[in-house]
Amino acid sequence: KNEVEQSPQNLTAQEGEFITINCSYSVGISALHWLQQHPGGGIVSLFMLSSGKKKHGRLIATINIQEKHSSLHITASHPRDSAVYICAVRGTGGGADGLTFGKGTHLIIQP
Amino acid sequence: DTGVSQDPRHKITKRGQNVTFRCDPISEHNRLYWYRQTLGQGPEFLTYFQNEAQLEKSRLLSDRFSAERPKGSFSTLEIQRTEQGDSAMYLCASSFSQSYEQYFGPGTRLTVT
Repeated sequence: KNEVEQSPQNLTAQEGEFITINCSYSVGISALHWLQQHPGGGIVSLFMLSSGKKKHGRLIATINIQEKHSSLHITASHPRDSAVYICAVRGTGGGADGLTFGKGTHLIIQP
Repeated sequence: DTGVSQDPRHKITKRGQNVTFRCDPISEHNRLYWYRQTLGQGPEFLTYFQNEAQLEKSRLLSDRFSAERPKGSFSTLEIQRTEQGDSAMYLCASSFSQSYEQYFGPGTRLTVT
């Protein structure tokens, strides 16, 4: 079982829809990252959070440490939001500095 | 600041050959990370440096893999005696410290034939 599980694996929606991508993890973490990966491989960091909620433009990320769960929301989705969204966690101490990644959610927004 | 750069962007090599990739992090970042991503999967952690010290290596990093960051700036990842299973995207990322977000390079796509 992966330490980081994302759902759904694939999501197709119409432009303008509200999008939610979920991430559950099974280990203690010091931070959780949401990343965006476009075709060709480039990865962009969207959020890094360890508690509560962050917002940037149409993107909102929340985390519930007790439930070991995070969500990424996209409001008023647009075709340019089409990408793979990856959740990644950083462990707590003991040299666990590298990120552990989920497999990603492939999002397609249709016009 | 031009971001994290990696070279080459693509590499095709024959099985058994050695390959070396380079990563140039953002200049003031003292942490540098290497990850590997195979098709349809999320990236996997390989190793990371704080300045020139290699502080952690994943068990994915077999004896055929070696990474260096000799002056605490750019880093190289070498794979000796490549195997077809080494075919993947090799990603480099850097950060200012543990508490800061990581910035990723464009990756080097390796194909072993």
